[in-house]
Amino acid sequence: ETGVTQSPTHLIKTRGQQVTLRCSSQSGHNTVSWYQQALGQGPQFIFQYYREEENGRGNFPPRFSGLQFPNYSSELNVNALELDDSALYLCASSSRTGSGTEAFFGQGTRLTVV
Amino acid sequence: DAKTTQPPSMDCAEGRAANLPCNHSTISGNEYVYWYRQIHSQGPQYIIHGLKNNETNEMASLIITEDRKSSTLILPHATLRDTAVYYCIGHLYNFNKFYFGSGTKLNVKP
Repeated sequence: ETGVTQSPTHLIKTRGQQVTLRCSSQSGHNTVSWYQQALGQGPQFIFQYYREEENGRGNFPPRFSGLQFPNYSSELNVNALELDDSALYLCASSSRTGSGTEAFFGQGTRLTVV
Repeated sequence: DAKTTQPPSMDCAEGRAANLPCNHSTISGNEYVYWYRQIHSQGPQYIIHGLKNNETNEMASLIITEDRKSSTLILPHATLRDTAVYYCIGHLYNFNKFYFGSGTKLNVKP
């Protein structure tokens, strides 16, 4: 098992509501990335945080936002939820090493928007 | 990041070696090849990665062709628990983000 934990594991929200998902990173990792995985598809990159600053963003609207804290844990916030936001949200903590990037994923938060 | 191409599904008999191919013909010289797998609705699990040389760890072996245009992940003795979607990813060292394709669904059968 990795040291990356996500909470909650499951969540049901109503369209138009806001949601906050949380991720604690692996010890020694300073970068956190968030991914959205719709049913039957591969994970899609949302954005990444490095030392509390956003460091790259995928093709997601501004209602997807995030934070990274001094201990490198992170939050993903989604405003004005839409039905299509229903997905598995994955957090990955990572750090560069001498032989490439070491990246571990959490078990994900399953968000259902009704 | 290089676009990768994988077969959508493969079958393997339990106890036999599973050889999963990946084409990454547009890979650049400083892109690593990473393999992750995802067992139903769980987070992706790291398997192995490499740049030029073949690599082996306790889970698998990674064979990269000399021209680096393709690679093969080898699970030496597949078990039923290896049934999963396997993702091959070309990853730039300077960027910590991974671009996943559709992967290969490996079905290990008794």
